[in-house]
Amino acid sequence: SAVISQKPSRDICQRGTSLTIQCQVDSQVTMMFWYRQQPGQSLTLIATANQGSEATYESGFVIDKFPISRPNLTFSTLTVSNMSPEDSSIYLCSVEVGQPYGYTFGSGTRLTVV
Amino acid sequence: GIQVEQSPPDLILQEGANSTLRCNFSDSVNNLQWFHQNPWGQLINLFYIPSGTKQNGRLSATTVATERYSLLYISSSQTTDSGVYFCADDSYSGGGADGLTFGKGTHLIIQP
Repeated sequence: SAVISQKPSRDICQRGTSLTIQCQVDSQVTMMFWYRQQPGQSLTLIATANQGSEATYESGFVIDKFPISRPNLTFSTLTVSNMSPEDSSIYLCSVEVGQPYGYTFGSGTRLTVV
Repeated sequence: GIQVEQSPPDLILQEGANSTLRCNFSDSVNNLQWFHQNPWGQLINLFYIPSGTKQNGRLSATTVATERYSLLYISSSQTTDSGVYFCADDSYSGGGADGLTFGKGTHLIIQP
């Protein structure tokens, strides 16, 4: 199974600012996934990041708000731009490592926007 | 995309009790997984179980792929079992992994 290091683990940010979240995987993976979990809710897929191509965004998420970089096969960043209190959530990255583990997740970034 | 329904949404039990959590899927099961999210927000992978039955200590899971559902069993519950349990699957399209679609979760509280 892969191990994902995600940082920061938590942050409190002012509205109107941006935060970049980093995920480092201990092995090369083709795709990385970014999720958002709003308070008391389930996880929702934001986008899929392939190395060397533009990220694919799910309905309701746009690149201007959540730009993603994927410079190599072990690293990705998600930026939450021009933040508002509604962006307060846990953000998680994930990779698919195949059987028998399936998908594994980073430890999450708990973001509070004030 | 695939739809995932979990039941019950909330469950409160006494320590030592057994419980069964259910997950129904709207489409074929591909990479079904069960997760436990602890109070700190960490998502712990419990089972990767697209079919069949697996056991890990007091936890076991069964997936009946032909009927599009999965069950998670927790026996002899402990207070540390509290948290939210999610099931999830992806809609594998042949072009690579598509990311997981999650159910809304079962919020489990184990009282001492």
